[in-house]
Amino acid sequence: SQELEQSPQSLIVQEGKNLTINCTSSKTLYGLYWYKQKYGEGLIFLMMLQKGGEEKSHEKITAKLDEKKQQSSLHITASQPSHAGIYLCGALNADKIIFGKGTRLHILP
Amino acid sequence: DVKVTQSSRYLVKRTGEKVFLECVQDMDHENMFWYRQDPGLGLRLIYFSYDVKMKEKGDIPEGYSVSREKKERFSLILESASTNQTSMYLCASKTGGVGYTFGSGTRLTVV
Repeated sequence: SQELEQSPQSLIVQEGKNLTINCTSSKTLYGLYWYKQKYGEGLIFLMMLQKGGEEKSHEKITAKLDEKKQQSSLHITASQPSHAGIYLCGALNADKIIFGKGTRLHILP
Repeated sequence: DVKVTQSSRYLVKRTGEKVFLECVQDMDHENMFWYRQDPGLGLRLIYFSYDVKMKEKGDIPEGYSVSREKKERFSLILESASTNQTSMYLCASKTGGVGYTFGSGTRLTVV
């Protein structure tokens, strides 16, 4: 079965700093999702990547899928308090999503 | 915008009670999912459904059942709630296309 490993598990960053979250899959990724979750709430869709080498951006968040389609990274530039939350990567697997355990991001003012 | 609505944000139930968690989507999606989320374990798939009256077991179906009598509604049933089912439950729906839309979640506490 496919497994996703996210690193780091937790991240504390000073406001304004850049940061990167990684997601590594045990199998080839045919669709990789990034979601954000505020504590105690549902998941908000950020981006989906499908092609090797693909990169997408939304506001200050950029996600990439490597050429081999086994690793993705999420990069936040000039972090803000609104970026705080849990970031989850998910792999499309036979029409359902398997998730990593998440990265908890804290932003210090 | 697609909306997935979970009927309760917070629930407290007693051990042994039968519990119904309701999820409704408003965009005629075929596929609907129930996950539970626990600290250190992430989101785990309980059950999913491709169409009305169809259901498939996910990774952790034990202790749960589901019902999909109408396309827009997918119910998760805890036949006899136990304390180890205390968790955050998240419903999602999807049709062909990019995204899975999630509800706001139901935090269930079994005492």
